[in-house]
Amino acid sequence: GAGVSQSPRYKVAKRGQDVALRCDPISGHVSLFWYQQALGQGPEFLTYFQNEAQLDKSGLPSDRFFAERPEGSVSTLKIQRTQQEDSAVYLCFAGKPNYGYTFGSGTRLTVV
Amino acid sequence: GNSVTQMEGPVTLSEEAFLTINCTYTATGYPSLFWYVQYPGEGLQLLLKATKADDKGSNKGFEATYRKETTSFHLEKGSVQVSDSAVYFCALTPAANFGNEKLTFGTGTRLTIIP
Repeated sequence: GAGVSQSPRYKVAKRGQDVALRCDPISGHVSLFWYQQALGQGPEFLTYFQNEAQLDKSGLPSDRFFAERPEGSVSTLKIQRTQQEDSAVYLCFAGKPNYGYTFGSGTRLTVV
Repeated sequence: GNSVTQMEGPVTLSEEAFLTINCTYTATGYPSLFWYVQYPGEGLQLLLKATKADDKGSNKGFEATYRKETTSFHLEKGSVQVSDSAVYFCALTPAANFGNEKLTFGTGTRLTIIP
């Protein structure tokens, strides 16, 4: 979507490999969410940032998942020791109140 | 907790047919309700929303009315086009102001329109 860029668009990882997924919102996007969308399912919440503060990480499925947004702009979702069940599309969703929110196009992660 | 249940697909219709995709929800208080659409090869886009009971959201010929008494937000369109083929997701946030509250999504309904 316009204004929220995600990279890479596709990532193939061998099981056990670490991966890092990037979300680059436009300037001024106070709020940033990460969602996980498994094949044939709706997106599920992972974590939420307000500026650089991670206010909710209740959706992270295990301690192998870690997200950061150190300067309140770009965010990185890291998955350590990837497993096959991590295969999904990872979506970034960012914006600010009264302005609007936009989804990025997502990163499709395939763990083989 | 909050949850969204939507009509399972896939749904296949002929062009110019009437469309209804059912969506019901469970939430405390007064959630905001949304329909998102995902066209082939594209990201999720907001289609329409409603933030209080009896509100009607509308966009691109699609409509949905927030029915608190039946906890529903069914999506309708009077005459579908081939270009409406996509996956449709019903979603909610628990707050009246769509701000810092996370979205809860249904599982999606794949719609295919045949010429």
